Amino acid sequence: DVKVTQSSRYLVKRTGEKVFLECVQDMDHENMFWYRQDPGLGLRLIYFSYDVKMKEKGDIPEGYSVSREKKERFSLILESASTNQTSMYLCASNIFGPNQPQHFGDGTRLSIL
Amino acid sequence: GEDVEQSLFLSVREGDSSVINCTYTDSSSTYLYWYKQEPGAGLQLLTYIFSNMDMKQDQRLTVLLNKKDKHLSLRIADTQTGDSAIYFCAEWDSGAGSYQLTFGKGTKLSVIP
Repeated sequence: DVKVTQSSRYLVKRTGEKVFLECVQDMDHENMFWYRQDPGLGLRLIYFSYDVKMKEKGDIPEGYSVSREKKERFSLILESASTNQTSMYLCASNIFGPNQPQHFGDGTRLSIL
Repeated sequence: GEDVEQSLFLSVREGDSSVINCTYTDSSSTYLYWYKQEPGAGLQLLTYIFSNMDMKQDQRLTVLLNKKDKHLSLRIADTQTGDSAIYFCAEWDSGAGSYQLTFGKGTKLSVIP
């Protein structure tokens, strides 16, 4: 079974802090994704990566950056956390190509105080 | 860009059938997915259908696709309390060479015992 592991289920940080959310997948997937999920807004794509050191902006990249130094790990970075970044963050991965579903981690619920 | 719409809430009685509807806008060949999200968890792939198919059945799940109307539905037979979750419809556009899925906002299914 594909396993996508997010390092924390719950995280509480303060405004202005630099925050790192980590995601690891164990299936050698090329693609990895970071989404945020908010009530009434569904899932919105922040960034994705299709290879090591490669990244593409999603729909809402402002205030975020990402790092993919190794194929199995994709990090989401909040450079200076703000209260409007309080949300559920979901990581996903898949093999490139049609009919390749995205596999999701359990999510990190991040609160910025 | 693509847009995926679904109603936000659905309530059914245990043992009844549930039908969750979704509409999409993309006109090229595409894969369409249904994901389930249980409380506090990530998204779990339930099933998928390619746009050259009309129907797909998998145990209690039936997916119907009306390509002319760009309408997708997920029918859950003999709905159980364990089916209570948020169900997301998602579209992958094979024509655009995109890595991305476009998700609907999710339908929250509540099953009444």
